[in-house]
Amino acid sequence: EAQVTQNPRYLITVTGKKLTVTCSQNMNHEYMSWYRQDPGLGLRQIYYSMNVEVTDKGDVPEGYKVSRKEKRNFPLILESPSPNQTSLYFCASSYWGYEQYFGPGTRLTVT
Amino acid sequence: DAKTTQPPSMDCAEGRAANLPCNHSTISGNEYVYWYRQIHSQGPQYIIHGLKNNETNEMASLIITEDRKSSTLILPHATLRDTAVYYCIVSPPNFGNEKLTFGTGTRLTIIP
Repeated sequence: EAQVTQNPRYLITVTGKKLTVTCSQNMNHEYMSWYRQDPGLGLRQIYYSMNVEVTDKGDVPEGYKVSRKEKRNFPLILESPSPNQTSLYFCASSYWGYEQYFGPGTRLTVT
Repeated sequence: DAKTTQPPSMDCAEGRAANLPCNHSTISGNEYVYWYRQIHSQGPQYIIHGLKNNETNEMASLIITEDRKSSTLILPHATLRDTAVYYCIVSPPNFGNEKLTFGTGTRLTIIP
């Protein structure tokens, strides 16, 4: 089954404790992206990747890092999480110019 | 990217056709109209997209006016599982950052 998976689905952590949210797709898509969704602000893009070893900033990249060492994986790294990074995070992937597939979401709470 | 305008909410009776409008009066010639939906807090789901012609797939139909300034998404036989927020997105083909700009969408409620 074609899908995008994210782990963990739910995470509660404390300020400053490094964490990684994994994203994996099994469709051989070149393009992958991370969004965060906050009430009243909609979905905002954090980072994106056009292919292996090619990443770039989206609209709200501050406080986040990404890497794309393999085509299927695109982890989101929070080196020192802060409460303002409490949000619902989505990973997405696609072939260029085609519809995007979204993961189920990761609900992160930073206390 | 062109701006879109959608009604904030709509109701539709179960089994009836749900018609969701979208205005995109500033659309450019190379911009596509995409529809996605988000059920509760799940990941957005692609529904359909089109450029000029009407499109149909197993989920829905997309009707684009001849001047391309507006479109309508049609769910032919709405079920309770179609209750969701529906987003109309206008975007050019972009073989680079495929960022989707989600607006506020239309919250569709299917009523039993």
